[in-house]
Amino acid sequence: QQPVQSPQAVILREGEDAVINCSSSKALYSVHWYRQKHGEAPVFLMILLKGGEQKGHEKISASFNEKKQQSSLYLTASQLSYSGTYFCGTVIQGAQKLVFGQGTRLTINP
Amino acid sequence: DTEVTQTPKHLVMGMTNKKSLKCEQHMGHRAMYWYKQKAKKPPELMFVYSYEKLSINESVPSRFSPECPNSSLLNLHLHALQPEDSALYLCASSQVITSGGNNEQFFGPGTRLTVL
Repeated sequence: QQPVQSPQAVILREGEDAVINCSSSKALYSVHWYRQKHGEAPVFLMILLKGGEQKGHEKISASFNEKKQQSSLYLTASQLSYSGTYFCGTVIQGAQKLVFGQGTRLTINP
Repeated sequence: DTEVTQTPKHLVMGMTNKKSLKCEQHMGHRAMYWYKQKAKKPPELMFVYSYEKLSINESVPSRFSPECPNSSLLNLHLHALQPEDSALYLCASSQVITSGGNNEQFFGPGTRLTVL
């Protein structure tokens, strides 16, 4: 039941946009997005609940398509500080635990 | 205070040793978690405590023994570990556990464990 993330890795130049996708074969209740920098703890970005909502937070936003059981994370005008590995975590309906995707490594070059 | 602290930061132990990892939070959260993370892999859930009671055990070998002495503290006791247990051990907390998991989890910096 691990969600599948794509792409596995992205290399961008500062100022470019990126989209990271997360999909599940199971019906989801929520999708969580985290960013982890090398040697550091994962940091929470946002939660999306079923209902197809979209959330935003400065230049990072996300959407959740409940029909397709897919979520996408959008990074606009990327900054050097956005570098790291992005994990989506999904909670299937009726469950209480978060299962993380395999991660997407994002590298932003000046 | 929105911090989860973990001690020690690094731990090297032999296969016959007994050691403990400690995690602490002062956010009033009533759910606490242990995750194991291997290099270049996602965190994998090991245990969940809800209101100081063990709620989820992800079929973790008995050489890992969790303990939640109070609502702020979470320990992971280690005994007779194997070299393949070497990993980053992350502690996290959230307000409560809900069916559907709509509470964000705050992670500590982790303990990097090496088993020789």
